[in-house]
Amino acid sequence: DTGVSQDPRHKITKRGQNVTFRCDPISEHNRLYWYRQTLGQGPEFLTYFQNEAQLEKSRLLSDRFSAERPKGSFSTLEIQRTEQGDSAMYLCASSFVLETQYFGPGTRLLVL
Amino acid sequence: GESVGLHLPTLSVQEGDNSIINCAYSNSASDYFIWYKQESGKGPQFIIDIRSNMDKRQGQRVTVLLNKTVKHLSLQIAATQPGDSAVYFCAETLNYGQNFVFGPGTRLSVLP
Repeated sequence: DTGVSQDPRHKITKRGQNVTFRCDPISEHNRLYWYRQTLGQGPEFLTYFQNEAQLEKSRLLSDRFSAERPKGSFSTLEIQRTEQGDSAMYLCASSFVLETQYFGPGTRLLVL
Repeated sequence: GESVGLHLPTLSVQEGDNSIINCAYSNSASDYFIWYKQESGKGPQFIIDIRSNMDKRQGQRVTVLLNKTVKHLSLQIAATQPGDSAVYFCAETLNYGQNFVFGPGTRLSVLP
């Protein structure tokens, strides 16, 4: 257990529905990252926050995706109008600036 | 839990032997590298890191070697144990920890 928690661990939804995932980082960490991982692939960067500011977004993050970290602590990742191609593991990681990222257990999303 | 990396390259080693996992990274400007271990249904777990001003770093039973000339990273595991069976990813980044780019992964299988 790295200290990063994610909720829920599993989510099954129907195409077109909205889903929201939560990440609670290690409490002292000021950076928080979201990644997506599909079977047989390494994690792909989506976005990251330093405190409450969203500093970088990947082009993978379409306009159906939005992430927030309102108080610089926990973060949410919302996917609107889900598509079957959104099925993946969504990973959260946290770190200090310029330090190693520690990953949570992930949320596995299945879109039917 | 769901398997990670169903179609990844696989390295099979006998228990007690040494393992060497290789990674070719993509960006010659990358300055920080991490090896992660991922077990089925779990998030990536930090193993060891190395900065670009070093060519070797040792941890407990693990050694990372960095060859910047050919953009190659390797992870050596001494006296491989059944608990080492997992998928191993290398990750690279610029500026010591912003957007990490993960390699494709290698599955390590430890034979009794």
